[in-house]
Amino acid sequence: NAGVTQTPKFRVLKTGQSMTLLCAQDMNHEYMYWYRQDPGMGLRLIHYSVGEGTTAKGEVPDGYNVSRLKKQNFLLGLESAAPSQTSVYFCASSYWGGVETQYFGPGTRLLVL
Amino acid sequence: TQLLEQSPQFLSIQEGENLTVYCNSSSVFSSLQWYRQEPGEGPVLLVTVVTGGEVKKLKRLTFQFGDARKDSSLHITAAQPGDTGLYLCAGAGGGGADGLTFGKGTHLIIQP
Repeated sequence: NAGVTQTPKFRVLKTGQSMTLLCAQDMNHEYMYWYRQDPGMGLRLIHYSVGEGTTAKGEVPDGYNVSRLKKQNFLLGLESAAPSQTSVYFCASSYWGGVETQYFGPGTRLLVL
Repeated sequence: TQLLEQSPQFLSIQEGENLTVYCNSSSVFSSLQWYRQEPGEGPVLLVTVVTGGEVKKLKRLTFQFGDARKDSSLHITAAQPGDTGLYLCAGAGGGGADGLTFGKGTHLIIQP
């Protein structure tokens, strides 16, 4: 039981390049989330999904797209990376139990030059 | 937008001392969670408090949810170097789907 895994662990991009971050969970959770963590800003929700085939915007969705084609996977895409997207990205998943216990992956560090 | 203010932002104390971290909001949350994050890792849940006035203890850590469910505190007794880390409070609105609202965190350093 690996929990929540994220790929890649670290990536360097040039401005304008695109990439996809992959999140996978093996806990059969319905809900999945993408957050970014920046110094002094805490964790901010980018997009989330309440089930396979569904996605919704969070607090800071601009510049990102997501897809949830399979229940266990949640992909975060950057179509044209900008330096402002340099951050640490965390994926999380949860059951719906009314108390929102979320399980986080180890994070992906992204540097956009 | 619901906001959670954590204080202090940074705290460095000696081993054996007691400390309290606060998490305050003007909004009501259906539940509030405390996470601990180590460098290079994702946050890990410590506790969830749901009922106003609720107190939960986890060894030397005591968590309290305010009566009005707008604030919470984390008290550590006899801090140990192993308690060093980033402590995050996070509130849930109750709808489940909107994710958590996180505070900016408290960086805690316990010096031996």
